[in-house]
Amino acid sequence: DADVTQTPRNRITKTGKRIMLECSQTKGHDRMYWYRQDPGLGLRLIYYSFDVKDINKGEISDGYSVSRQAQAKFSLSLESAIPNQTALYFCATSDFTTYNEQFFGPGTRLTVL
Amino acid sequence: QQQVKQSPQSLIVQKGGISIINCAYENTAFDYFPWYQQFPGKGPALLIAIRPDVSEKKEGRFTISFNKSAKQFSLHIMDSQPGDSATYFCAASKDAGNMLTFGGGTRLMVKP
Repeated sequence: DADVTQTPRNRITKTGKRIMLECSQTKGHDRMYWYRQDPGLGLRLIYYSFDVKDINKGEISDGYSVSRQAQAKFSLSLESAIPNQTALYFCATSDFTTYNEQFFGPGTRLTVL
Repeated sequence: QQQVKQSPQSLIVQKGGISIINCAYENTAFDYFPWYQQFPGKGPALLIAIRPDVSEKKEGRFTISFNKSAKQFSLHIMDSQPGDSATYFCAASKDAGNMLTFGGGTRLMVKP
């Protein structure tokens, strides 16, 4: 949805490179999330943030870091990319009042060679 | 280990048929069970959700059935249409928080 945008949409990089995926939202939501999607494994939570000063590790945070630059922006970094991090990455947002409904961006397809 | 197990991984249904996707969970603290629908090239979007105080929730052609004692819930799509062809994810959340645990996904194809 246009309310949650992700850049880039596709990225090919090499092992060992640092890469940043960016997420912006115009929904005015406080809560933002990063997931990765792998076939057969569904979506797994990497990091989440309930407000600008709050950052929390999810299920699979190793090898990743995040930055919440503003309420509307949440970036995911791979400090030293490895082929195992090849996946589809999604950013999502939610509002405390909508009881868990998360709104997802269109995704970033990352390939690490 | 996956806390939410989803089956089948793929499903082919004829137009007009019933599509059924099942999920099972382990954590009895889960108190919210949504289903998300994902079309190719798009992010998942909330389809329908249920809380454990009811055994069934229906929205149009989509129904969630919930069995608390068995720790299972399922999505039924009645009168399935080709436009329903998508990947479906069940999920679960606890403590009214925003952390969702997803199942592995089911790729549904509805043949015309």
